Amino acid sequence: DAKTTQPTSMDCAEGRAANLPCNHSTISGNEYVYWYRQIHSQGPQYIIHGLKNNETNEMASLIITEDRKSSTLILPHATLRDTAVYYCTGSTGGTSYGKLTFGQGTILTVHP
Amino acid sequence: ETGVTQSPTHLIKTRGQQVTLRCSSQSGHNTVSWYQQALGQGPQFIFQYYREEENGRGNFPPRFSGLQFPNYSSELNVNALELDDSALYLCASSRTGGGEKLFFGSGTQLSVL
Repeated sequence: DAKTTQPTSMDCAEGRAANLPCNHSTISGNEYVYWYRQIHSQGPQYIIHGLKNNETNEMASLIITEDRKSSTLILPHATLRDTAVYYCTGSTGGTSYGKLTFGQGTILTVHP
Repeated sequence: ETGVTQSPTHLIKTRGQQVTLRCSSQSGHNTVSWYQQALGQGPQFIFQYYREEENGRGNFPPRFSGLQFPNYSSELNVNALELDDSALYLCASSRTGGGEKLFFGSGTQLSVL
């Protein structure tokens, strides 16, 4: 599994885009990048995942660099409810299906 | 559609005791994974159950064991509790072909005194 590195904390103004970076330089060719977030006293919530193409869903966008060594999660219009710990992780599926390796994540604080 | 539910929400045990935590998976999901989250840390993978058998295990000793039942619900058992076992225990369910898109419960907060 890829070792991921994320900033410890970030701030964002409400209504602005939040761009959360993740370094995963050891990612293997068949390893997906997954993003989850965890709001205080709740379990992690799936946000988005991708392999090498940029992805977008109703929650966020995921930009993966061409060399796949880093990615950025974009929350286009952050709200106060987006304040949470954001985790970037990798998984190859297969024999490690369902096993995610979480680091310490990025604490995102959205302020008014 | 019901989500992942865990019970109990909080539990206090004494060192050396045994504990059982329970998880009901989301409707339509046949795979359950368990994670341990210490304070201030990310969740750590304990093991996964699929078709009532263990299907992958993290770096946890054998005193951490589990079960999955025909209705896909699951139990996590921890024997000989140690102080370091104090943590939030998270259950996540997923469906075959769903990749690592996991649906987590709110967890059981275990305190070992």
